[in-house]
Amino acid sequence: IAGITQAPTSQILAAGRRMTLRCTQDMRHNAMYWYRQDLGLGLRLIHYSNTAGTTGKGEVPDGYSVSRANTDDFPLTLASAVPSQTSVYFCASSDQGPTDTQYFGPGTRLTVL
Amino acid sequence: GQNIDQPTEMTATEGAIVQINCTYQTSGFNGLFWYQQHAGEAPTFLSYNVLDGLEEKGRFSSFLSRSKGYSYLLLKELQMKDSASYLCAVIGGDYKLSFGAGTTVTVRA
Repeated sequence: IAGITQAPTSQILAAGRRMTLRCTQDMRHNAMYWYRQDLGLGLRLIHYSNTAGTTGKGEVPDGYSVSRANTDDFPLTLASAVPSQTSVYFCASSDQGPTDTQYFGPGTRLTVL
Repeated sequence: GQNIDQPTEMTATEGAIVQINCTYQTSGFNGLFWYQQHAGEAPTFLSYNVLDGLEEKGRFSSFLSRSKGYSYLLLKELQMKDSASYLCAVIGGDYKLSFGAGTTVTVRA
């Protein structure tokens, strides 16, 4: 059982380019989340999905979009990357919702130049 | 909004006990998590408290006081592998998880 996988592991991206970070889970969890982690700021919620077909905005949603076409996949898209989006991005999932334990993927380190 | 405070860094000796405090001010409360994160890795679950009191799990214990907006994580019999960041996270009234900035614990021989 892989749990949660993320791709790519790391990426260097020119400002203005479009980028999709991929996240897949095989635990059949209903809820999925995207966080960014920056030094000194901790993890901040970007977007979430409580179940397939629904999404919601977190604390820092601007510049990001998500979709949840099925239970397993939850891609995060940066439509036009900016240097302030340089960060480590973690995808997570939980069985029913935020009161359940969240399991995190290995992260994607993104650098926008 | 949510405000979650925890110390930035702590250092302790192998075999000792360390207590990491977390205070929070949130709009509503639906539970508090502690996660461990080793450098360069993903956070992993340690504990969950939703009622007042102490939850013990092996060498790790977590305490919650909802009236004081306060929790602590107690690490006993410290081992070198416990060197990591410890993240306090609170589920507010909006049922979203908000994280503190984390406490980096360094265990010295």
